[in-house]
Amino acid sequence: DAKTTQPPSMDCAEGRAANLPCNHSTISGNEYVYWYRQIHSQGPQYIIHGLKNNETNEMASLIITEDRKSSTLILPHATLRDTAVYYCIVRAEGGSYIPTFGRGTSLIVHP
Amino acid sequence: DVKVTQSSRYLVKRTGEKVFLECVQDMDHENMFWYRQDPGLGLRLIYFSYDVKMKEKGDIPEGYSVSREKKERFSLILESASTNQTSMYLCASSPLGGGKTQYFGPGTRLLVL
Repeated sequence: DAKTTQPPSMDCAEGRAANLPCNHSTISGNEYVYWYRQIHSQGPQYIIHGLKNNETNEMASLIITEDRKSSTLILPHATLRDTAVYYCIVRAEGGSYIPTFGRGTSLIVHP
Repeated sequence: DVKVTQSSRYLVKRTGEKVFLECVQDMDHENMFWYRQDPGLGLRLIYFSYDVKMKEKGDIPEGYSVSREKKERFSLILESASTNQTSMYLCASSPLGGGKTQYFGPGTRLLVL
């Protein structure tokens, strides 16, 4: 799996958009970009994933650059409950690839 | 709703004890995983299984074993617990094949005294 690089920490004001970047410059054509988050003392929670088109669901939006070397997870209106560690991972479809979680970005949403 | 459950949220054991951590998923997933998570180290894969009775070592299998007798259940065994196995243990499952979404359990926080 391609390696990802994320800033170790970010903060955001409640109600504002949180934009979490991820670099994956070695991504291959068949690798998806996945985002998970982990709230303190809980298991990781799936958020969203995409291949090359931008994606949106009830939790977040995923913007992938045209060259697919980076992406941004957007939480449009961050709340205090969005405080968590956010993991960006890239994984290939098919085969028996095991996802590798890096250290993620610790997002703190403050009042 | 997808569900992965783990037998205990918190566990305290003594050095040398045999410890069983149980994980059950109700999604008929083929793949199941055991990770441990420690501060500053992220999630590290211990073992995974892609079918009943099949298992593969992850990055840090030493001191652990696993059992997958039924599709829905994946057990992690610490044969002789040691203090350096104090950690948060996370179980996950996913459908067959790579690149599939993983679903995680709530985690078991194990303290070995």
